[in-house]
Amino acid sequence: QKEVEQNSGPLSVPEGAIASLNCTYSDRGSQSFFWYRQYSGKSPELIMFIYSNGDKEDGRFTAQLNKASQYVSLLIRDSQPSDSATYLCAATTGGFKTIFGAGTRLFVKA
Amino acid sequence: EAGVTQSPTHLIKTRGQQATLRCSPISGHTSVYWYQQALGLGLQFLLWYDEGEERNRGNFPPRFSGRQFPNYSSELNVNALELEDSALYLCASSFAYEQYFGPGTRLTVT
Repeated sequence: QKEVEQNSGPLSVPEGAIASLNCTYSDRGSQSFFWYRQYSGKSPELIMFIYSNGDKEDGRFTAQLNKASQYVSLLIRDSQPSDSATYLCAATTGGFKTIFGAGTRLFVKA
Repeated sequence: EAGVTQSPTHLIKTRGQQATLRCSPISGHTSVYWYQQALGLGLQFLLWYDEGEERNRGNFPPRFSGRQFPNYSSELNVNALELEDSALYLCASSFAYEQYFGPGTRLTVT
């Protein structure tokens, strides 16, 4: 069964630090990868997507993809208390089905 | 540009009744996805519609069904409601691979 795995956390970092969120996927045919942020009681919000090996930066966010290791990560620089949320990793398989991980809870301490 | 909209926001039903949830995608998006998120749990894929056709279905019983209309809006129907159907039901739309979520419908079954 194709899976996307994340550490459930919570991951706790102090304000201003770098938060590092990790994700592994089982389907080698996966081509597209996404990070969503979900605040409690709200719907997921797309914050990053990455298709190619390497890094992709957008503001304080950097997504990293290593297809050989089947590993995706999200770095949040200068973490703020408002970044406290659950972060969902998702991968689109070769059959165009998107599989979501269970999410990592991030807590940024002021 | 208007985002994905869902109605109703909240829905309270009694066990055994039927529930109908509605979703309007972002203009230009042809795919609609439905997910169930029980309290404190991850996203569970329900259904994927594209161009009016059901493209994929998650591991849910047949009493979960839906359809997509010519204007790409979609409806999710849940028959013979059970207590464990209480959850946040999320609709997402996409044109390519990135999915954008609506605010969700919170269904409570009593």
